[in-house]
Amino acid sequence: DIQMTQSPSSLSASIGGSVTITCRASQSIDSYLNWYQQRPGKAPRLLIFDASSLQSGVPSRFSGSGSGTDFSLTINNLQPEDFGTYYCQHNYRTPHTFGQGTKLEIK
Amino acid sequence: DVQLVQSGAEVKKPGESLKISCKSSGYSFSNYWITWVRQMPGKGLEWVGIIYPGDYDTRYSPSFEGQVTISVDRSISTAYLQWSSLKASDTAMYYCARSPVILVLYPGALDVWGQGTMVTVSS
Repeated sequence: DIQMTQSPSSLSASIGGSVTITCRASQSIDSYLNWYQQRPGKAPRLLIFDASSLQSGVPSRFSGSGSGTDFSLTINNLQPEDFGTYYCQHNYRTPHTFGQGTKLEIK
Repeated sequence: DVQLVQSGAEVKKPGESLKISCKSSGYSFSNYWITWVRQMPGKGLEWVGIIYPGDYDTRYSPSFEGQVTISVDRSISTAYLQWSSLKASDTAMYYCARSPVILVLYPGALDVWGQGTMVTVSS
């Protein structure tokens, strides 16, 4: 299986600020990398697919980059609704494993 | 509106069987993959397995192979996740999600999610 490692595990940031979450794959996954947001008590929501493509309806303050083994998700101009846990996931080959998650708290 | 609506919460005893469902609407069921994802209480997301209703191609995570069965009924646009003998460690929220076909019949990202089904296994 391909292992996905996210960092940091948690972070805190201010409204209006920016954060970057990184995700590393245990082997090359080309650009088959997706990012999801999960708010407490809710189902996950797709933010970014294919490493850098913004899902329809997702605000442009979310952006993704990377290829191969190293990827990042950046959130600019943080809003209160951005709190929650963020997960990366690859779909290079099955099983499509998830990272362990990064919990974002808003100061 | 594209939707995945999952069956309601279940409380079962160890050793019992269970089948939970995920009913799709608003799109062509046979042309999208359906994935099942487990989330144990307070923990992260785990990929369980995936099925393509178009040809019943089914793949499991090694962690779940032999523990669960994924199936579909195309006539009612519904996917299922079932257990033959539940354990307390199966207690979790289970989500279904769909993904579009990319390249040649390969699954893309999980773009629509069900609301989740909470399964509690306790004696």
